[in-house]
Amino acid sequence: GAGVSQSPSNKVTEKGKDVELRCDPISGHTALYWYRQSLGQGLEFLIYFQGNSAPDKSGLPSDRFSAERTGGSVSTLTIQRTQQEDSAVYLCASGASVSTDTQYFGPGTRLTVL
Amino acid sequence: KQEVTQIPAALSVPEGENLVLNCSFTDSAIYNLQWFRQDPGKGLTSLLLIQSSQREQTSGRLNASLDKSSGRSTLYIAASQPGDSATYLCAVLNQAGTALIFGKGTTLSVSS
Repeated sequence: GAGVSQSPSNKVTEKGKDVELRCDPISGHTALYWYRQSLGQGLEFLIYFQGNSAPDKSGLPSDRFSAERTGGSVSTLTIQRTQQEDSAVYLCASGASVSTDTQYFGPGTRLTVL
Repeated sequence: KQEVTQIPAALSVPEGENLVLNCSFTDSAIYNLQWFRQDPGKGLTSLLLIQSSQREQTSGRLNASLDKSSGRSTLYIAASQPGDSATYLCAVLNQAGTALIFGKGTTLSVSS
C-alpha cells in the first residue's frame, strides 16, 4: 500500500515569507508526527496528533510554527515569517497506535530559507 | 530531559565483518526503542522496534537488544554488506507515547 507522502519535496523561500508543508499519512493511521532534521542538530520532535485528541505541541520551537490535521487525515505544518534557522528537512510520520506500532516516515520536505 | 547518545558517530568496516552500534539513553522511563536506517537524501526506514518489556528483537542479519535499567541498546549487524552503508538512528519513545527522541546517528560505511 501507499506510504506516507509529503509535499513539496523541496521548498525554497525568502526570509519573512510564510510556508505550508503537507503530509498525507498512511490510510487508517490515527497517530501523526512532525519532526525536523537540521544539519548538526539531529532529528527533533515538533508536534503529535492522535485521533481527535488535543495535539501535543511541546516540540514547536516558536509561535511562528503551527500545525493542523483536518478530518483526522492530512496534516499541514505552517511556518510564518520564516527565518534562515528554519532551514531543515521536515519529516512527517504516522502510526497505527500510540505506542505499540512503528512510526512510518515520509521522504521529507527540504526547506531552504534564503 | 531525555537524551540519546550514539557511539561511534562513524564506522568503516570491510565487507563480511560483524559489527555493533551502541545507543544509550538517560531516562529509563521509555515506552519502546526503535532503530532506523536513513540513506542520504531519503526518509527513515524502521529496522527494529523493541517494547520496554522486551530484551531483544531480530530481523534477518540484524539483532537489537535493550537493557532498560542501564539505559542501553545495541544493534548487531552480522556479515555486513556494502548495501548496509547508511546512517543508523536510535530513538526512544517517551512514556507518554507522544514523541520519539533521537540520537544523532552512526554513519556506517561497508567497503567491498
